[in-house]
Amino acid sequence: LAKTTQPISMDSYEGQEVNITCSHNNIATNDYITWYQQFPSQGPRFIIQGYKTKVTNEVASLFIPADRKSSTLSLPRVSLSDTAVYYCLVGHATGNTGFQKLVFGTGTRLLVSP
Amino acid sequence: DVKVTQSSRYLVKRTGEKVFLECVQDMDHENMFWYRQDPGLGLRLIYFSYDVKMKEKGDIPEGYSVSREKKERFSLILESASTNQTSMYLCASSPQGVSSYNEQFFGPGTRLTVL
Repeated sequence: LAKTTQPISMDSYEGQEVNITCSHNNIATNDYITWYQQFPSQGPRFIIQGYKTKVTNEVASLFIPADRKSSTLSLPRVSLSDTAVYYCLVGHATGNTGFQKLVFGTGTRLLVSP
Repeated sequence: DVKVTQSSRYLVKRTGEKVFLECVQDMDHENMFWYRQDPGLGLRLIYFSYDVKMKEKGDIPEGYSVSREKKERFSLILESASTNQTSMYLCASSPQGVSSYNEQFFGPGTRLTVL
């Protein structure tokens, strides 16, 4: 499983764009990059997943450079409710169950202030 | 929306007690998981089930067992609770299939304290 490195914490203000970068130097060819969000006393929630270039959904964008050794989660115009821990995961499914073992590190604690 | 529910949000048990944690999902997912989450250690997989009555050990199965008698329900059992099993326990489910294999849907968690 590829190891990931993220900043421990980040601070922002409401309305700003937040970019959280994750480093994964030993990513494998068939690995995907996935981001989860976790609020206190709740389970993690899937945000976005990508393999290369750029992926966008209604919540966030994920930017992946050509060498795939890093990725950046971009949250546009954050609000107070975006205060949470964000986890970057790298891996791929094994077997015919489509199961990927998820290894959550310590994540990035994002604090959004008024 | 996928819903994964866990039987308790908070649980306090005594050392040596047998503890049952229940998880139910309503999206007909084949895969179900039990994790524990501890500060500084992230999530660690305890057990995984890919079908009724089928299970596989995760990274830290010692001291735990599981039961999956129905597709929607996955139970975690602590045979004889110990203080080092004090933790947040998270259940998750996911469909099978390469197209969505990465997305696991988590329950709210059960914070278990063993005294």
